[in-house]
Amino acid sequence: DAKTTQPNSMESNEEEPVHLPCNHSTISGTDYIHWYRQLPSQGPEYVIHGLTSNVNNRMASLAIAEDRKSSTLILHRATLRDAAVYYCILPLAGGGADGLTFGKGTHLIIQP
Amino acid sequence: DAGITQSPRHKVTETGTPVTLRCHQTENHRYMYWYRQDPGHGLRLIHYSYGVKDTDKGEVSDGYSVSRSKTEDFLLTLESATSSQTSVYFCAISEGQPSNYGYTFGSGTRLTVV
Repeated sequence: DAKTTQPNSMESNEEEPVHLPCNHSTISGTDYIHWYRQLPSQGPEYVIHGLTSNVNNRMASLAIAEDRKSSTLILHRATLRDAAVYYCILPLAGGGADGLTFGKGTHLIIQP
Repeated sequence: DAGITQSPRHKVTETGTPVTLRCHQTENHRYMYWYRQDPGHGLRLIHYSYGVKDTDKGEVSDGYSVSRSKTEDFLLTLESATSSQTSVYFCAISEGQPSNYGYTFGSGTRLTVV
C-alpha cells in the first residue's frame, strides 16, 4: 500500500500561513492525495484532495510536486480553530471500496 | 455532521453483553464504513458496505459484525463486548469509491466496556 510520511507535530502563529508537508514516494499514477483534519473530540473532516495539479478550495490549497512524490497543504491564514490533527492519505493499493487508510497525522498547534 | 448521524453518542456497557451502534445517513450514498480510533493507533477500518446487504471486513473485524438492510442504515454489533473494544467509533459515508470521492464522517460514538 502507498504510505505517507508526515511530521508528528508543527507549530505556527495565528494569522500566518501554514505549510504542512507530506511525502508519498511510492504513490501510483492514479492515486488521489487526500487531506483530512480532526479537531478535538470530533470526527475527521474532509479538507481537500487532488491528483496532479494544484487545488484550491475555501479551506485550503494543495500543492502537489511535479513528480507527485510529495505534497503540501497550505492554510493561508491560520486561526486558532485550525488547531487539529491533519492527515495526508493515499488510497489502499488498487483503490476500491475499502477506502482510505489513516496514519497518525500531524498535530498542528496554533499560537495566539 | 450534515447528512450522517451516529447513535448513541456515548455508551457504557458491561463485558460480555452485546452492543449495537447505529449509523444513519440521509445522503443516499452507496458506501458506508465503520472505524475505531484509539490512542496510538489512529483510525482503523472495522467493516464497510458497498451496497444494501453487501459488506466486507476491514483491518480489525474480529469481534464485530455489521448489517445493512437499507441504504440509509449501517449497524455495527459487538457480539460480546470486551474491554479491548473500549474506543471511539466513527461511521463514514462516501458517494463513490473513497479513493476518488472522499468521506464524510459522523461525530462518533464513545463506547466504554467495563
